[in-house]
Amino acid sequence: EIVLTQSPATLSLSPGERATLSCRASQSVSRSLDWYQQKPGQAPRLLLYDASTRATGIPARFSGSGSGTDYTLTISSLEPEDFAVYYCQQRSNWPLTFGGGTKVEIK
Amino acid sequence: EVQLLESGGDLVQPGGSLRLSCAASGFTFNNYAMTWVRLAPGKGLEWVSAISPSGTNTYYADSVKGRFTISTDTSTNTLYLQMSSLRAEDTAVYYCAKNYNTNSHSTLDYWGQGTLVTVSS
Repeated sequence: EIVLTQSPATLSLSPGERATLSCRASQSVSRSLDWYQQKPGQAPRLLLYDASTRATGIPARFSGSGSGTDYTLTISSLEPEDFAVYYCQQRSNWPLTFGGGTKVEIK
Repeated sequence: EVQLLESGGDLVQPGGSLRLSCAASGFTFNNYAMTWVRLAPGKGLEWVSAISPSGTNTYYADSVKGRFTISTDTSTNTLYLQMSSLRAEDTAVYYCAKNYNTNSHSTLDYWGQGTLVTVSS
Protein backbone atom coordinates (compact mmCIF):
# COMPACT_ATOMS: atom_id res chain seq x y z
CA GLU A 1 0.00 0.00 0.00
CA ILE A 2 1.27 3.46 -0.89
CA VAL A 3 1.42 5.71 2.14
CA LEU A 4 0.94 9.44 1.60
CA THR A 5 2.42 11.74 4.23
CA GLN A 6 1.13 15.28 4.29
CA SER A 7 2.96 18.11 6.01
CA PRO A 8 2.53 20.14 7.97
CA ALA A 9 -0.46 18.73 9.82
CA THR A 10 -1.60 22.27 10.56
CA LEU A 11 -0.71 25.53 8.84
CA SER A 12 -1.57 28.77 10.63
CA LEU A 13 -1.67 31.70 8.24
CA SER A 14 -3.40 35.03 7.70
CA PRO A 15 -5.58 35.95 4.72
CA GLY A 16 -3.42 37.16 1.87
CA GLU A 17 -0.50 34.93 2.79
CA ARG A 18 0.88 32.13 0.66
CA ALA A 19 0.21 28.52 1.67
CA THR A 20 2.48 25.64 0.67
CA LEU A 21 1.26 22.12 1.42
CA SER A 22 3.34 19.01 0.90
CA CYS A 23 2.37 15.43 0.04
CA ARG A 24 5.05 12.75 -0.03
CA ALA A 25 4.41 9.22 -1.29
CA SER A 26 6.18 6.08 -0.10
CA GLN A 27 6.83 5.21 -3.76
CA SER A 28 6.38 6.96 -7.07
CA VAL A 29 2.78 7.69 -8.04
CA SER A 30 3.72 9.07 -11.47
CA ARG A 31 1.64 12.25 -11.08
CA SER A 32 -1.54 10.21 -10.51
CA LEU A 33 -2.25 12.44 -7.57
CA ASP A 34 -5.26 14.61 -6.79
CA TRP A 35 -5.96 17.30 -4.21
CA TYR A 36 -9.26 17.82 -2.39
CA GLN A 37 -10.54 20.52 -0.07
CA GLN A 38 -12.97 19.78 2.73
CA LYS A 39 -14.73 22.19 5.05
CA PRO A 40 -16.51 21.07 8.24
CA GLY A 41 -19.85 19.46 7.53
CA GLN A 42 -19.33 19.59 3.79
CA ALA A 43 -18.41 17.10 1.10
CA PRO A 44 -14.85 17.09 -0.22
CA ARG A 45 -14.32 19.18 -3.35
CA LEU A 46 -11.89 18.32 -6.13
CA LEU A 47 -9.24 21.03 -6.57
CA LEU A 48 -6.52 19.56 -8.76
CA TYR A 49 -6.05 16.31 -10.64
CA ASP A 50 -3.00 14.72 -12.23
CA ALA A 51 -0.90 16.75 -9.80
CA SER A 52 -1.36 20.13 -11.45
CA THR A 53 -4.57 20.46 -13.51
CA ARG A 54 -7.21 22.63 -11.89
CA ALA A 55 -10.72 21.20 -11.78
CA THR A 56 -13.60 23.12 -13.29
CA GLY A 57 -14.30 26.37 -11.46
CA ILE A 58 -11.21 26.27 -9.25
CA PRO A 59 -9.54 29.69 -8.96
CA ALA A 60 -6.10 30.28 -10.38
CA ARG A 61 -4.64 30.95 -6.93
CA PHE A 62 -4.60 27.16 -6.46
CA SER A 63 -1.70 25.44 -8.18
CA GLY A 64 0.01 22.08 -7.98
CA SER A 65 3.39 20.70 -8.84
CA GLY A 66 5.54 17.68 -8.33
CA SER A 67 6.55 14.33 -9.72
CA GLY A 68 7.63 10.93 -8.54
CA THR A 69 7.11 10.89 -4.79
CA ASP A 70 6.92 14.60 -3.92
CA TYR A 71 3.98 16.91 -4.60
CA THR A 72 3.00 20.41 -3.55
CA LEU A 73 -0.26 22.34 -3.41
CA THR A 74 0.21 26.10 -3.35
CA ILE A 75 -2.41 28.71 -2.58
CA SER A 76 -0.88 31.97 -3.73
CA SER A 77 -2.91 34.34 -1.58
CA LEU A 78 -5.32 32.93 0.98
CA GLU A 79 -8.92 34.03 0.80
CA PRO A 80 -11.22 33.65 3.84
CA GLU A 81 -13.02 30.73 2.15
CA ASP A 82 -9.74 28.79 1.73
CA PHE A 83 -9.41 27.91 5.40
CA ALA A 84 -10.16 24.20 5.37
CA VAL A 85 -8.57 20.75 5.39
CA TYR A 86 -6.70 19.64 2.27
CA TYR A 87 -6.11 16.03 1.27
CA CYS A 88 -3.96 14.47 -1.39
CA GLN A 89 -4.94 11.12 -2.95
CA GLN A 90 -2.95 8.74 -5.12
CA ARG A 91 -4.55 6.78 -7.95
CA SER A 92 -1.44 4.97 -9.09
CA ASN A 93 -1.82 1.69 -7.18
CA TRP A 94 -4.55 -0.30 -5.46
CA PRO A 95 -5.66 0.29 -2.83
CA LEU A 96 -6.14 3.97 -3.51
CA THR A 97 -5.03 6.01 -0.52
CA PHE A 98 -5.40 9.47 0.95
CA GLY A 99 -2.93 11.47 2.94
CA GLY A 100 -3.73 12.37 6.52
CA GLY A 101 -4.65 15.93 5.59
CA THR A 102 -3.34 19.44 6.25
CA LYS A 103 -5.55 21.85 8.12
CA VAL A 104 -5.12 25.46 7.01
CA GLU A 105 -6.33 27.62 9.85
CA ILE A 106 -6.57 31.35 10.44
CA LYS A 107 -3.67 32.73 12.43
CA GLU B 1 -26.33 19.10 -12.75
CA VAL B 2 -24.70 16.08 -11.12
CA GLN B 3 -26.36 15.10 -7.87
CA LEU B 4 -25.47 12.30 -5.48
CA LEU B 5 -27.72 11.66 -2.51
CA GLU B 6 -26.66 9.13 0.11
CA SER B 7 -29.05 7.48 2.54
CA GLY B 8 -29.22 4.53 4.89
CA GLY B 9 -26.87 5.68 7.63
CA ASP B 10 -27.95 4.71 11.13
CA LEU B 11 -26.92 3.59 14.59
CA VAL B 12 -26.11 -0.13 14.51
CA GLN B 13 -24.68 -2.55 17.03
CA PRO B 14 -21.26 -4.16 16.59
CA GLY B 15 -21.58 -7.22 14.40
CA GLY B 16 -24.64 -5.80 12.69
CA SER B 17 -25.37 -5.00 9.06
CA LEU B 18 -26.46 -1.96 7.12
CA ARG B 19 -26.98 -1.04 3.48
CA LEU B 20 -26.11 2.41 2.22
CA SER B 21 -27.62 3.83 -0.97
CA CYS B 22 -26.54 6.63 -3.25
CA ALA B 23 -29.08 7.97 -5.74
CA ALA B 24 -27.36 9.49 -8.75
CA SER B 25 -28.74 11.96 -11.28
CA GLY B 26 -27.56 14.50 -13.82
CA PHE B 27 -25.24 12.15 -15.71
CA THR B 28 -25.34 8.84 -17.58
CA PHE B 29 -24.82 6.47 -14.65
CA ASN B 30 -23.82 3.52 -16.86
CA ASN B 31 -20.82 5.41 -18.22
CA TYR B 32 -18.90 6.05 -15.00
CA ALA B 33 -17.20 4.14 -12.25
CA MET B 34 -18.37 4.96 -8.73
CA THR B 35 -16.63 5.04 -5.36
CA TRP B 36 -17.29 5.09 -1.61
CA VAL B 37 -15.05 7.10 0.73
CA ARG B 38 -15.44 7.55 4.48
CA LEU B 39 -14.44 10.09 7.11
CA ALA B 40 -14.16 8.78 10.66
CA PRO B 41 -14.37 11.17 13.62
CA GLY B 42 -11.05 12.88 14.15
CA LYS B 43 -9.48 11.07 11.21
CA GLY B 44 -8.78 11.76 7.56
CA LEU B 45 -10.50 10.55 4.43
CA GLU B 46 -10.29 6.82 3.72
CA TRP B 47 -10.99 5.26 0.33
CA VAL B 48 -13.37 2.31 0.89
CA SER B 49 -14.48 0.73 -2.37
CA ALA B 50 -14.97 1.30 -6.10
CA ILE B 51 -16.94 -0.36 -8.88
CA SER B 52 -16.65 -0.31 -12.66
CA PRO B 53 -19.60 0.87 -14.77
CA SER B 54 -20.63 -2.65 -15.64
CA GLY B 55 -20.22 -3.83 -12.09
CA THR B 56 -17.80 -6.46 -13.33
CA ASN B 57 -14.86 -5.12 -11.40
CA THR B 58 -14.95 -4.21 -7.74
CA TYR B 59 -12.21 -3.02 -5.42
CA TYR B 60 -11.98 -2.80 -1.64
CA ALA B 61 -9.75 -1.39 1.05
CA ASP B 62 -8.14 -4.12 3.13
CA SER B 63 -9.98 -2.78 6.18
CA VAL B 64 -13.39 -3.70 4.69
CA LYS B 65 -12.58 -6.59 2.36
CA GLY B 66 -14.79 -9.59 3.02
CA ARG B 67 -17.26 -7.51 5.05
CA PHE B 68 -18.48 -4.85 2.60
CA THR B 69 -19.96 -5.34 -0.87
CA ILE B 70 -20.34 -2.60 -3.45
CA SER B 71 -22.94 -2.86 -6.19
CA THR B 72 -25.04 -0.81 -8.57
CA ASP B 73 -28.57 -0.91 -9.93
CA THR B 74 -28.50 0.70 -13.36
CA SER B 75 -32.30 0.61 -13.66
CA THR B 76 -32.56 3.09 -10.79
CA ASN B 77 -29.14 4.78 -11.07
CA THR B 78 -28.29 3.76 -7.54
CA LEU B 79 -25.00 2.81 -5.93
CA TYR B 80 -25.03 0.57 -2.87
CA LEU B 81 -22.68 -0.42 -0.09
CA GLN B 82 -23.73 -3.50 1.86
CA MET B 83 -21.90 -3.53 5.16
CA SER B 84 -21.79 -6.51 7.50
CA SER B 85 -19.87 -7.57 10.61
CA LEU B 86 -19.67 -3.91 11.49
CA ARG B 87 -17.08 -2.72 13.99
CA ALA B 88 -16.71 0.41 16.07
CA GLU B 89 -13.93 1.54 13.73
CA ASP B 90 -16.42 1.60 10.83
CA THR B 91 -18.11 4.59 12.46
CA ALA B 92 -17.84 7.38 9.91
CA VAL B 93 -19.59 9.61 7.45
CA TYR B 94 -19.77 7.67 4.19
CA TYR B 95 -19.58 9.59 0.93
CA CYS B 96 -20.36 8.33 -2.52
CA ALA B 97 -18.43 9.88 -5.35
CA LYS B 98 -18.59 9.81 -9.13
CA ASN B 99 -15.41 8.84 -10.94
CA TYR B 100 -14.16 11.01 -13.79
CA ASN B 101 -14.54 8.19 -16.35
CA THR B 102 -14.96 4.43 -16.63
CA ASN B 103 -11.75 3.71 -14.74
CA SER B 104 -12.35 2.78 -11.14
CA HIS B 105 -9.08 4.49 -10.19
CA SER B 106 -9.89 7.79 -11.89
CA THR B 107 -10.33 11.13 -10.16
CA LEU B 108 -13.41 11.68 -7.99
CA ASP B 109 -15.02 14.72 -9.55
CA TYR B 110 -18.38 14.88 -7.74
CA TRP B 111 -19.27 13.92 -4.19
CA GLY B 112 -22.45 13.49 -2.21
CA GLN B 113 -23.07 15.12 1.16
CA GLY B 114 -22.57 11.89 3.08
CA THR B 115 -24.52 9.65 5.45
CA LEU B 116 -23.50 8.90 9.03
CA VAL B 117 -22.95 5.35 10.22
CA THR B 118 -22.47 4.86 13.96
CA VAL B 119 -21.47 1.45 15.27
CA SER B 120 -22.03 1.25 18.99
CA SER B 121 -23.80 -0.83 21.61
